[in-house]
Amino acid sequence: EDQVTQSPEALRLQEGESSSLNCSYTVSGLRGLFWYRQDPGKGPEFLFTLYSAGEEKEKERLKATLTKKESFLHITAPKPEDSATYLCAVQGTTDSWGKLQFGAGTQVVVTP
Amino acid sequence: DAMVIQNPRYQVTQFGKPVTLSCSQTLNHNVMYWYQQKSSQAPKLLFHYYDKDFNNEADTPDNFQSRRPNTSFCFLDIRSPGLGDAAMYLCATSRAGIETQYFGPGTRLLVL
Repeated sequence: EDQVTQSPEALRLQEGESSSLNCSYTVSGLRGLFWYRQDPGKGPEFLFTLYSAGEEKEKERLKATLTKKESFLHITAPKPEDSATYLCAVQGTTDSWGKLQFGAGTQVVVTP
Repeated sequence: DAMVIQNPRYQVTQFGKPVTLSCSQTLNHNVMYWYQQKSSQAPKLLFHYYDKDFNNEADTPDNFQSRRPNTSFCFLDIRSPGLGDAAMYLCATSRAGIETQYFGPGTRLLVL
């Protein structure tokens, strides 16, 4: 069964203090790894999809990277508006239709 | 803008009183999903529709049902809500099963 573990569970940062979130996964065959941002009381907002080891994607202060066992979401010089829960999900090749297995998320708080 | 819409955003019901949550989409996606998310937990897939084909997750209680009358709309029916069913309910869509899922804002359900 596909599994996703995110660490840390919570992260408190000062504005401008760069850091990384980890997403470790086990899957029989990786079709895709997804990062979402979720604000309190709202639905997840799509950020990135990564398909193969070595791939990187960037959006503003966020950069996602992928290896064969884990993905990192790097937050560079964060601002208070980057405060959110960041969810990682994997899609394996076992299911023909592409079920997502989510991690529990990392809650990030950025203080001014 | 193309989007996923959920109504209502907040729903209060009584223990055992049937409730229906609504999801609509303007993305013209083939697949629609319903997830349940409890506080600080990963979203849990309840079921999905691929066009008109309904696919139930093995551990989804019989208390939860769904209808998809057309491409744009999907409903979640909870026949006899219990206190444990209080959660955020998320609707998501994707063009095909293996493609990126886009989420609506969610409906927060409170059971009294």
